[in-house]
Amino acid sequence: DGGITQSPKYLFRKEGQNVTLSCEQNLNHDAMYWYRQDPGQGLRLIYYSQIVNDFQKGDIAEGYSVSREKKESFPLTVTSAQKNPTAFYLCASSILTGYGYTFGSGTRLTVV
Amino acid sequence: DQQVKQNSPSLSVQEGRISILNCDYTNSMFDYFLWYKKYPAEGPTFLISISSIKDKNEDGRFTVFLNKSAKHLSLHIVPSQPGDSAVYFCAARVTQGGSEKLVFGKGTKLTVNP
Repeated sequence: DGGITQSPKYLFRKEGQNVTLSCEQNLNHDAMYWYRQDPGQGLRLIYYSQIVNDFQKGDIAEGYSVSREKKESFPLTVTSAQKNPTAFYLCASSILTGYGYTFGSGTRLTVV
Repeated sequence: DQQVKQNSPSLSVQEGRISILNCDYTNSMFDYFLWYKKYPAEGPTFLISISSIKDKNEDGRFTVFLNKSAKHLSLHIVPSQPGDSAVYFCAARVTQGGSEKLVFGKGTKLTVNP
């Protein structure tokens, strides 16, 4: 079954620590995206990548970093520079000229 | 600057009635519009879409209407069912510099009462 997998589902970290969220897809999609959801804020784009070894900042990239070394994988690192990292993080993928995204089930990050 | 606006944070309807969810946008460069449905602690799932060159698209109980002159689209669900209770996100696609991305609204929480 093709799909997009985010792990872990729940993640707890201490303030000041970097943390990496995993996103893997076996849909053979070229493009991958990271969104953040906060209550009442909808989905806000953090980073996206249209092709391996290339990625662009979204609307709220500060305090985050990504890599795209393989087509299937697009990990997101939440650094200590991110002022308010507690949120629900969603990864998505699409074919380059696709009509929409396939989303993962999300990772709930809580920083204490 | 919010390019895609869902002005109603919540909507409550009775089972069997029509649910109408609204979305307004400001960017004329959007060429495709989509609706996603989301349950708590899950990722959004694609529901229905419409190209900017059309004004209506129907799929079973779901119909999306697009009014380009008003920069407005709406999702109609008829008849509404309790399982439709979820948060619905409106999204618009834009291509900039060869990159394609979706811009999402803040969502509308639909509650369908039995």
